[in-house]
Amino acid sequence: GQQVMQIPQYQHVQEGEDFTTYCNSSTTLSNIQWYKQRPGGHPVFLIQLVKSGEVKKQKRLTFQFGEAKKNSSLHITATQTTDVGTYFCVSGYALNFGKGTSLLVTP
Amino acid sequence: DGGITQSPKYLFRKEGQNVTLSCEQNLNHDAMYWYRQDPGQGLRLIYYSQIVNDFQKGDIAEGYSVSREKKESFPLTVTSAQKNPTAFYLCASSMGKNSGNTIYFGEGSWLTVV
Repeated sequence: GQQVMQIPQYQHVQEGEDFTTYCNSSTTLSNIQWYKQRPGGHPVFLIQLVKSGEVKKQKRLTFQFGEAKKNSSLHITATQTTDVGTYFCVSGYALNFGKGTSLLVTP
Repeated sequence: DGGITQSPKYLFRKEGQNVTLSCEQNLNHDAMYWYRQDPGQGLRLIYYSQIVNDFQKGDIAEGYSVSREKKESFPLTVTSAQKNPTAFYLCASSMGKNSGNTIYFGEGSWLTVV
């Protein structure tokens, strides 16, 4: 599968601050998917990006796919405590989930 | 999300015992997966199966075994050979292993070795 590195591994923000997690690959990606796992829960599919330069929004979440299709980002505007969890980017086959980025939001 | 059932949700096992975790899906998916997650860690792939009667080892298959006799079912056995089995186990499925298929997860099984 296509190996994707995600940073940061952990992020602690105050409620209302913005948050961004990044995924980077040394090779061109065919697509990238984002998942969210709440504490004690299971990963849930958020979105898939396929096109070069694609930007998709879900309320306060903005997902981007790089022009070269080698990187992607998830940006959360004005975080809320409900955003707490681990965010995973996955590309290629379902075999490479990695460690994700764990987000902690303090009220 | 819905359509994948894992059982039991919580399981305690004595050292030296084998235990089998159940995973059933009614999504008509061809591919099924087992992951292990340790506290504060990501998901590591144990085994996956693309079709009935076929499965492949993932990154950490040692000490585990699986079977895929039916499309809907992909049970995982944690054997006594697994040195550190206490973890959260997640089963998942997708239409296929190919890129771009959404992965659906069960709610997971917590295994504790006592």
